[in-house]
Amino acid sequence: DAKTTQPPSMDCAEGRAANLPCNHSTISGNEYVYWYRQIHSQGPQYIIHGLKNNETNEMASLIITEDRKSSTLILPHATLRDTAVYYCIVRSDRNDYKLSFGAGTTVTVRA
Amino acid sequence: EAGVVQSPRYKIIEKKQPVAFWCNPISGHNTLYWYRQNLGQGPELLIRYENEEAVDDSQLPKDRFSAERLKGVDSTLKIQPAELGDSAVYLCASRGVSPREQYFGPGTRLTVT
Repeated sequence: DAKTTQPPSMDCAEGRAANLPCNHSTISGNEYVYWYRQIHSQGPQYIIHGLKNNETNEMASLIITEDRKSSTLILPHATLRDTAVYYCIVRSDRNDYKLSFGAGTTVTVRA
Repeated sequence: EAGVVQSPRYKIIEKKQPVAFWCNPISGHNTLYWYRQNLGQGPELLIRYENEEAVDDSQLPKDRFSAERLKGVDSTLKIQPAELGDSAVYLCASRGVSPREQYFGPGTRLTVT
């Protein structure tokens, strides 16, 4: 599976949109981009995933560039409860049972 | 619907002692995972079960770690004897057929002194 690169940390203001970048320049055609987050003292939680098209659900939006080499997770109105470590993971259909976590981005939402 | 249940939530033991962690996956989920998460790092897979069969245990340190999933439901992960470097959070996750995302439990924080 392709490797991902994320900034180690970022801050955002409560009520504002949080834009979390992820680079995955070696992604191949059958690999999906997944996002999970881990709130302190909890297990990781699935947020969203996508292949080519932008995706939106009740938690977030995922914007994938046309060349698929990078993506952005958008939390439209960040709250204090969104403070967590966010993991960007690339995973293929063939190995869809497997998640390889990096260090993620520690997002701190400030009042 | 109940999520993945793990117990205990916290465990402190002295080195060389045995320890066991228990996991009850989401009902109907055939795939069960055990991960280890060291401080400041992402989770790392230890073992994956499909029903009662361990299909990927390549990252499990077999000299001291063992796992079982009798009857393809609950699972136990054991360490014997524990070492200082085993201090970590041990996470259990499960996955069904649809959706195919993994659902994680809250983890067991192990401290070996």
